[in-house]
Amino acid sequence: QAGLTQPPSVSKGLRQTATLTCTGNSNNVGNQGAAWLQQHQGHPPKLVSYRNNNRPSGISERLSSSRSGNTASLTITGLQPEDEADYYCSAWDSSLRLWVFGGGTKLTVL
Amino acid sequence: QVQLQQWGAGLLKPSETLSLTCAVYGGSFSAYYWTWIRQPPGKGLEWIGEITPSGSTNYNPSLKSRVTISVDTSKNQFSLNLSAVTAADTAVYYCASGIVVWGQGALVTVSS
Repeated sequence: QAGLTQPPSVSKGLRQTATLTCTGNSNNVGNQGAAWLQQHQGHPPKLVSYRNNNRPSGISERLSSSRSGNTASLTITGLQPEDEADYYCSAWDSSLRLWVFGGGTKLTVL
Repeated sequence: QVQLQQWGAGLLKPSETLSLTCAVYGGSFSAYYWTWIRQPPGKGLEWIGEITPSGSTNYNPSLKSRVTISVDTSKNQFSLNLSAVTAADTAVYYCASGIVVWGQGALVTVSS
């Protein structure tokens, strides 16, 4: 089934700002927005942002999300070494009636 | 805060049935959507399905014919059965509360 589209990799320097994108369609991202998950190697994913720029408790304010049409974005400011991870976007698809995921973006902090 | 702990057989032969169970600690068991998601080695995430607070199930159409998700409310547990496994089902399987809280994951390998 159709998933969400993410760039495979993004590299930024320490203390810089990274913006990760996630493109879907009007049945998923364009409908209810996207959630973002962070996954460090060997660990389960962790929810870091969900609909309308909400952050779970304990997630840094340096992470923020937004949506424009069918594209969602996760912005991480003041990059730190611990931000280096794989980031997945996810959204409920109202047509397919399932959660769809992006292929993930590997964020490298140089 | 909800916490999840999962277990199940880690090595299966083709055509066998995968069975995993997830125990829920904390929170109100009957109030959440309980979900199974998998991740093949080195690859991305795939939603397997969920069981809702009302007990209805939603499955990924690509797996629907082989998947059963069930709950045991007396034990605050939910389970995944995936029948007729093949090597393509080799993955880390996660239980989750929606996509909010995740279990630690369990690697299931299918090999003859």
